[in-house]
Amino acid sequence: GNSVTQMEGPVTLSEEAFLTINCTYTATGYPSLFWYVQYPGEGLQLLLKATKADDKGSNKGFEATYRKETTSFHLEKGSVQVSDSAVYFCALSDPPGQGAQKLVFGQGTRLTINP
Amino acid sequence: DAGVTQSPTHLIKTRGQQVTLRCSPKSGHDTVSWYQQALGQGPQFIFQYYEEEERQRGNFPDRFSGHQFPNYSSELNVNALLLGDSALYLCASRTWGEGELFFGEGSRLTVL
Repeated sequence: GNSVTQMEGPVTLSEEAFLTINCTYTATGYPSLFWYVQYPGEGLQLLLKATKADDKGSNKGFEATYRKETTSFHLEKGSVQVSDSAVYFCALSDPPGQGAQKLVFGQGTRLTINP
Repeated sequence: DAGVTQSPTHLIKTRGQQVTLRCSPKSGHDTVSWYQQALGQGPQFIFQYYEEEERQRGNFPDRFSGHQFPNYSSELNVNALLLGDSALYLCASRTWGEGELFFGEGSRLTVL
């Protein structure tokens, strides 16, 4: 079945540091790929997504590129802020238009940014 | 425009009891999914409802059941609670087959 493997946390960085959180997946066909963020005490929010190979999703300075050849969707940000402290989840689903499209999540990576 | 709302936010039950969690989808959405998020883990798909029918189910026992009402709201029922059912239960909504999935803040269930 489909699965997502994320870089294990926790990750602690200083403000303005470069961030990479690794994500690889196993799936048949061409799944859609997502990064969700969960701030303390809040629900999951969609951060960015990509629906086909070589697509780059971006939002709030975060980027991730859908790499079919390496089955990866690594999350990057050039300069992190304290407000980026949260738990980040990589996820996949069936391609758009294919019915139920349940999400399969990785285990999450807790990110802490120190001032 | 209210997003996905869930109730209750927190509850405590004892083993063997039954629990019902409720979810109202975001305005305009007709599809509701439920996920279980154990502490320190990613959410796991329980099931999804559309047109008042269960459309897809994850790897959860029959103790987990659900319902969708004509107004698209939904309930998750868990019978014969086990300690391992302690988790954050997330509801999410979307328009069937398309669009972004929006999550509620969850109902945190503790089973003692």
